[in-house]
Amino acid sequence: DTAVSQTPKYLVTQMGNDKSIKCEQNLGHDTMYWYKQDSKKFLKIMFSYNNKELIINETVPNRFSPKSPDKAHLNLHINSLELGDSAVYFCASSHGTSSYGELFFGEGSRLTVL
Amino acid sequence: GENVEQHPSTLSVQEGDSAVIKCTYSDSASNYFPWYKQELGKRPQLIIDIRSNVGEKKDQRIAVTLNKTAKHFSLHITETQPEDSAVYFCAASLSNTGNQFYFGTGTSLTVIP
Repeated sequence: DTAVSQTPKYLVTQMGNDKSIKCEQNLGHDTMYWYKQDSKKFLKIMFSYNNKELIINETVPNRFSPKSPDKAHLNLHINSLELGDSAVYFCASSHGTSSYGELFFGEGSRLTVL
Repeated sequence: GENVEQHPSTLSVQEGDSAVIKCTYSDSASNYFPWYKQELGKRPQLIIDIRSNVGEKKDQRIAVTLNKTAKHFSLHITETQPEDSAVYFCAASLSNTGNQFYFGTGTSLTVIP
């Protein structure tokens, strides 16, 4: 039983295309996130949703649009892909808005933009 | 916002030796400091955490210390083993902004058999 699952695991696409990554958690958590990990392994938060509401929106291009249809799902749609978008994107979830909640990460989605 | 710095970026130790990774944070409001381990090609996973009301916490071969005054915290791994080889991330969390975690830049630890 995978706690946080994201699809696809690998995504190779051309510049200018639009793509989506889906994420689902079965832990009953209230908060979900998207993190970007670049080639230098930096983990940078992009978005955070609590009970389907956006609570964190770091400075990311507006080509990135998260969507949370319910609190168990947080999808990431990227328009007009650029070379610099190549990275591993991790979905994560945690319980509530308590700062003591452990982050559970998905396996990551490796996006390669050619 | 919070700024977390982590050193060193790479660390090589002989099997059986100790490894220490250090982090500093900027916002005195941060009150939760987890450490994550990421093995090659895998997801980051929590290995230990510490809250601001505690100075030290230990779990078998790993320990974390926190100095709130100096705003730094450290991860200590004793009797290192090859399976400890991974990238380690520290993080700081701001309780008054909900669940916002700021990660350090990571330390790539290699344990040489």
